[in-house]
Amino acid sequence: AQSVTQLGSHVSVSEGALVLLRCNYSSSVPPYLFWYVQYPNQGLQLLLKYTSAATLVKGINGFEAEFKKSETSFHLTKPSAHMSDAAEYFCAVSDFPGNTPLVFGKGTRLSVIA
Amino acid sequence: DAGITQSPRHKVTETGTPVTLRCHQTENHRYMYWYRQDPGHGLRLIHYSYGVKDTDKGEVSDGYSVSRSKTEDFLLTLESATSSQTSVYFCAISEGGEDGNTEAFFGQGTRLTVV
Repeated sequence: AQSVTQLGSHVSVSEGALVLLRCNYSSSVPPYLFWYVQYPNQGLQLLLKYTSAATLVKGINGFEAEFKKSETSFHLTKPSAHMSDAAEYFCAVSDFPGNTPLVFGKGTRLSVIA
Repeated sequence: DAGITQSPRHKVTETGTPVTLRCHQTENHRYMYWYRQDPGHGLRLIHYSYGVKDTDKGEVSDGYSVSRSKTEDFLLTLESATSSQTSVYFCAISEGGEDGNTEAFFGQGTRLTVV
């Protein structure tokens, strides 16, 4: 069964600094990988997804993630943090697209300090 | 935004009472899911549906049942609510298939408190 591990339940960065949120997955077959963002009292919004095309995936709001099969990782990065990036971020994995539900990590709360 | 409506958005109920949460979609997506979100646990799958009257259990299905009699509606029922079921419940939908349209779209959530 697939699983996701997000390293760090809380990450704090200064405004303008690099954002790096870590995600490692476990899957017996080539995975589909996703990053979602959740703002307070809202649902989850898709940031980006990896579906076996390009290994470097660009998403909304300047975020990107790189799929590294050898490291079973799909870390999320943004070159320069903005105050509006403060939110909770979830990494998720699916084995077979649409046929198996997404399995989520426990989330990483990002704080941005002015 | 994907057309997903959850109702109610907030509910307080007493231990032992039955509760039904509703998820309604206007996207005609095949797959529908119920997740619960708890601090330190992320989102955990309760039940999901892959078509009308076709459902399956998720990771935390004990104490919950679901029904899907129409494509657009997916109901989650707590037969006899317990305090451990206090949580935020999210409905999600996905189109499915092998063409990359696999992401899930989420509703705004239902905050349920069992007292």
